[in-house]
Order: sequence, then C-alpha cells, then structure tokens
Amino acid sequence: SQQGEEDPQALSIQEGENATMNCSYKTSINNLQWYRQNSGRGLVHLILIRSNEREKHSGRLRVTLDTSKKSSSLLITASRAADTASYFCATDRVDSSYKLIFGSGTRLLVRP
Amino acid sequence: EAGVAQSPRYKIIEKRQSVAFWCNPISGHATLYWYQQILGQGPKLLIQFQNNGVVDDSQLPKDRFSAERLKGVDSTLKIQPAKLEDSAVYLCASSLQASGAYEQYFGPGTRLTVT
Repeated sequence: SQQGEEDPQALSIQEGENATMNCSYKTSINNLQWYRQNSGRGLVHLILIRSNEREKHSGRLRVTLDTSKKSSSLLITASRAADTASYFCATDRVDSSYKLIFGSGTRLLVRP
Repeated sequence: EAGVAQSPRYKIIEKRQSVAFWCNPISGHATLYWYQQILGQGPKLLIQFQNNGVVDDSQLPKDRFSAERLKGVDSTLKIQPAKLEDSAVYLCASSLQASGAYEQYFGPGTRLTVT
C-alpha cells in the first residue's frame, strides 16, 4: 500500500547547486526516514526525523518535516557528482509502527 | 562491522522454475526484512521477521513465495513456481528492533530475471 510519494520523480542539476526533493504521505506517522540508492553502495540510510521534530541536519543534508501538511523535504547543498542516486522517503504509520513503507523515489542526476 | 550478506547476486531462471535466496543479517539484529524492488519503484516489503517469528507477511504472495528464519539468524526466501512478473531485485535488510525508529541496513540484493 502506497504511503509516501516523492516529488519530483526526476531531477537534473549542475554540480555545486542545491537539490530539493519532497515527500508527501497520507496517514499519521511516528518517524520518517530518507534513504539513498546507487549502483555502487546499494540502499543506504541517510537521516531519520521523528514526528515531534521539525528539522534535522547531517553534513550537507537538511531534512524538514511538516506533520500538518504530511510532507517532508530533503535538501542536499553544494551537490557533487557522487550524489547522483535515487532518494526514497520511508514512513512508519502510527497504526503499524513496526515497519517502514517506502515511496517511489526521486532520481537525482548531478552533472559535472 | 560486517554488513548484510546476500547470495546469489544474480539469478536467471525460466518461468515455472523455483529459486531460493539467502540472507545473513548483521549480528545482533533481531529484525529481518525481505523486500521486492521492481525497476523504477521503491522497495515493497514482502515479509518481516522478529527473531524467528513472522511480524508481517501481508504482501507476500503465499501461493508461490515462502520464507523462513530458522534459529532467528539467517533467512531464505523461495519462489516456486516463478512468474515473469517476479523479475525484480530482492533486498534483505536488518535492524536492531521492529520499529520505524530504527534505521535499516540493506544487503546488496539479488537481481532475479525470469524468462
């Protein structure tokens, strides 16, 4: 069952620019996680934000969460070619908090 | 720390044949997940184990898919008989506990092609 939807589906930017991708979900959640997937390293966890948090930072990553709008955004600053990957949000619904439901992902291409 | 191990990495079979995938999670992780990822989509949870018990298998096509986690450590996922639409990457992941508050660690996946 679909919970998260990322937007845009695909994004192409120049190296050094910022990349913003969004995730919307349908039902109340406890936590939201962002993952990155590329051919070299597979699927890797980036950051977790809890429902009572509004913003978190990790290196060049900034995640925001707006529970009233049921949406989250992932900002990658000063992008690098190595950031080329697919990015997925994953949520745990309040009524089934033991598991994550992944969205369909945003494919990011960073051009050198 | 060793990561999640999966084998084989690639498998090509004909429809109606059977196939099995193996996963060894990170040591000490109680929760093990099998996901199916079709090209261009996000991972879809097939089955989730907590130790050697099943927590969720609501999206597992039980007429053809089966999974077990004997002794609460490694796990196998089997498809019998395979269909063309089973072509996908099968990902195994593990986490400390069954909660969305814990990050999941993924293996490299098995790419299955059914012809």
